[in-house]
Amino acid sequence: DIVMTQSPDSLAVSLGERATINCKSSQSVLYSSNNKNYLAWYQQRPGQPPKLLIYWASTRESGVPDRFSGSGSGTDFTLTISSLQAEDVAVYYCQQHYGTPHTFGQGTKLEIK
Amino acid sequence: EVQLVQSGAEMKKPGESLKISCKGSGYRFTSHWIGWVRQMPGKGLELMGIIYPGDSDTRYSPSFQGQVTISAGKSISTAYLQWSSLKASDTAMYYCARWDSGDSGYFNFWGQGTLVTVSS
Repeated sequence: DIVMTQSPDSLAVSLGERATINCKSSQSVLYSSNNKNYLAWYQQRPGQPPKLLIYWASTRESGVPDRFSGSGSGTDFTLTISSLQAEDVAVYYCQQHYGTPHTFGQGTKLEIK
Repeated sequence: EVQLVQSGAEMKKPGESLKISCKGSGYRFTSHWIGWVRQMPGKGLELMGIIYPGDSDTRYSPSFQGQVTISAGKSISTAYLQWSSLKASDTAMYYCARWDSGDSGYFNFWGQGTLVTVSS
C-alpha cells in the first residue's frame, strides 16, 4: 500500500493568515502517461462528512473558494489556505488515488490561534 | 442534484449481523464507483472497498477483505455494507462516497454517514 504522511498533525493559525499543510507519499503518484498527480485533498468539519477540495493535486473542485490551493508533484504535496477564515476550522486529509487501495493521510487538525 | 442517502444509526451487540445502505439519486448509479469509508471514533478515514454497480465489480482494501461484504442493487440504486458477526471494534461512523467519472479515484459526493455502535 502507498503510505500517506501528513505534517503537521495539528496547526493553529490566526484569522487572515496563511495555513500550509504538507502531504508526502511513500511512492510517486504521478502517472507518466497523462502527467497527472493522483492526489486529492478533503476538508472535514466537525460532525460533517468529508468534502472534496482539490483533485489532480491542484484542480479546485467547483464551488471551493479560491483561497484554497494545491501544489506539488511526485511524492510531495501542499495544501495552502491563503487567508484563514473561521469556517476553515476542520481536519484536512490528503488521499492518493493512484494505487489501490486509495489511502488517506492521517489528517491535520486546523484551528484558530 | 446528486445525493447519497444512508440508512440510520444502528446499535448492535457483538456477534450480531448488520447491513447498512446507501441510496444514490440524481445521477446514473450504474456508471460511478461507490466506496465505503470507515472513521473510528476520533480517528481518520480508511477506505474499506469500492464497488462498480454496473457489473458489481468489487475491490476490498486488504485490511477489510473477509471482514465485510460490499454489494449493490442497481435496480434500486443502492449500495450495501454488511457484517456477518459484529465486533466491538466495528464501532465507527461509516460513509459511502461516489467517485467522479471513470477511473478518477477521488470522491466528489459523500453520504451523511451511518453511525454503528457495537456494545454488549
